[in-house]
Amino acid sequence: DIQMTQSPSAMSASVGDRVTITCRASQDIGTSLAWFKQKPGNVPRRLIHASSSLQGGVSLSFSGSGSGTEFTLTINSVQPEDSATYYCLQHYTYPWTFGQGTKVDIQ
Amino acid sequence: EVQVVESGGGLVQPGRSLRLSCSTSGFNIADYTVGWFRQAPGRGPEWLGFIRVTAFGATAEYAASVKGRFTISRDDSRNIASLQMNSLEIEDTGVYYCTREALVGRFGVVYVNSFDIWGQGTTVTVSS
Repeated sequence: DIQMTQSPSAMSASVGDRVTITCRASQDIGTSLAWFKQKPGNVPRRLIHASSSLQGGVSLSFSGSGSGTEFTLTINSVQPEDSATYYCLQHYTYPWTFGQGTKVDIQ
Repeated sequence: EVQVVESGGGLVQPGRSLRLSCSTSGFNIADYTVGWFRQAPGRGPEWLGFIRVTAFGATAEYAASVKGRFTISRDDSRNIASLQMNSLEIEDTGVYYCTREALVGRFGVVYVNSFDIWGQGTTVTVSS
């Protein structure tokens, strides 16, 4: 199985900061990677697909990059509503696998 | 409106069975691989498996944790996918979600809409 190592596991940021979350795949997955945002009690929401394509309706402050084994989700100028847990998901080879999640707390 | 609605969850004893349904609307389910996920309390999401489109034999793939116990099926005429869960274990407790995955058409297999639509989920509690 492909292992997705996500870092950091948790972080705190201030409004207006830039936040960067990384996912590393244990093998080359091309750009078969999606990013999700999940607030407590809510459904996961897709933010990014194909590593860097922004989901319609998602704030332009979100961006994704990377290919192969290294991927990054960036939130420019983070806002209070960005407080959530973020997950990456690889769908290059089944079983699809998620990163462990990054809990982002906005102060 | 494009949406999926999961149903069929509930409280069940270990070793028993449960069948979940995924009702879809707003898109042609026949064109999509359909996947199932779950999320145990306090944990991240976990992929359970998917079922390919009928044109590819409607075959399914499963995560090791559920292989041999869970079966995914589809009925495109009713816009429904199902998850049959047998020999349930306490560790199967969680919220279960379905979503569309790959779009299969004349352009091949496309992931542009993959994992973009999630229902509210249905809760499965396995307890004696």
